[in-house]
Formats: sequence, structure tokens, C-alpha cells
Amino acid sequence: NAGVTQTPKFQVLKTGQSMTLQCAQDMNHNSMYWYRQDPGMGLRLIYYSASEGTTDKGEVPNGYNVSRLNKREFSLRLESAAPSQTSVYFCASSLTSGTSSEQYFGPGTRLTVT
Amino acid sequence: QQQVKQSPQSLIVQKGGISIINCAYENTAFDYFPWYQQFPGKGPALLIAIRPDVSEKKEGRFTISFNKSAKQFSLHIMDSQPGDSATYFCAARANTGNQFYFGTGTSLTVIP
Repeated sequence: NAGVTQTPKFQVLKTGQSMTLQCAQDMNHNSMYWYRQDPGMGLRLIYYSASEGTTDKGEVPNGYNVSRLNKREFSLRLESAAPSQTSVYFCASSLTSGTSSEQYFGPGTRLTVT
Repeated sequence: QQQVKQSPQSLIVQKGGISIINCAYENTAFDYFPWYQQFPGKGPALLIAIRPDVSEKKEGRFTISFNKSAKQFSLHIMDSQPGDSATYFCAARANTGNQFYFGTGTSLTVIP
């Protein structure tokens, strides 16, 4: 049981390049999330998916797109990277049903855009 | 606009002391309040969580105090240890959706 896995762990991009961050969970969770973490800003939600086939914008969606490929996988795409997207990106999942809401986080992807 | 306000930004405590981190919110639709612990280079991990129908929850040395009328909740770490040195985040989730809103984090350092 690997929990939430993310690839890659580190990435350096030039301005204007594109890339996709991959996330997978093996806990049969229905909800998945993408956050970015910046110093002094906490964790800010980019996009989330409440269930397979649905996605919704979070607080900071501009410049990003997502795909909920299946129940296990949720990818985040940067179409044209900008230096403002330099951050640590975390994927999370949760089984949101009834009173259960615990989120499990992946190890993060450290992205630098030059 | 920060939905969950967290203070202090940083905290230094002597070993054996009590660490207290505070959070406040405005949205009365929030119904789940977790605290996360994050070590450098790692993802956040759930530490303890509370729902607004109780005023306190304790797990080992960690206690959440919840004041529904004041819309405030706090994390107390008793007998703080150097191994508790980490960044702590409070969060809240509304009963109307799946979004979690996080505080800006508190960097705790416990001095031996």
C-alpha cells in the first residue's frame, strides 16, 4: 500500500515550457486534490476532483489544467510555465463520505521555472 | 482572502513546555477542522481533527480546543519534544463541498 505517489520529485522548466505532474493513489479514495505550497502562504488549492469524471477549480486555478484519468489518477498540467509557478506541488486524496474526511498527501514535486 | 487565519507564524518552546497554535475562521459552514504536521521535505500528515459538536479532543500529547461561538480552535502540544519541531497547519472543510482551506502555517522549534 503506497498511499499517494507523485512524479517527478523535482523538475526545472524554462519559461513557456509545458509539463504534467502525475499523481496516483491506491486507497480507493473518491476525492483527489492538487495544492501548491509557497513560503508564508500555506497550502492553496489549485483544483480538486470530488469523484471520477468531475473536476472543480480551487483558489488558484489560473495557468493550470487537470485530468481525472480514472479513480486512481489525477494529473496537473502546466501548459506554458511561468516563474510565478515555481512552488512545491502536493497531491492529496480523501475518502469523503459521511463523517470521514481525512486527507492523505503525497511527498510533493518541487518545481522551479526559470 | 484567507478563510482560515493562523497564528503565530513561528514559535520557539523549551523542551517540556506547552506549544499553543491558534486558528480562527468566519465561515459557519465549516464542519471539520484538522491539524496537519509537516516535516521538511515531506508532505503534510494528519495529526488530529475535530468536529464542532465537541469542545475538546485529545490524542496523546496533542489536544484541540474548539470554541464554536468565537469561531476559533487551537492546538496544544503538551510536554513538547525536539521531535515535535515541524510546521503545523490548521485547516477547515465546509459541509457544502470537498474543499479544504488551510492556514498559513506555524513553524515550531522545540529547544532541548
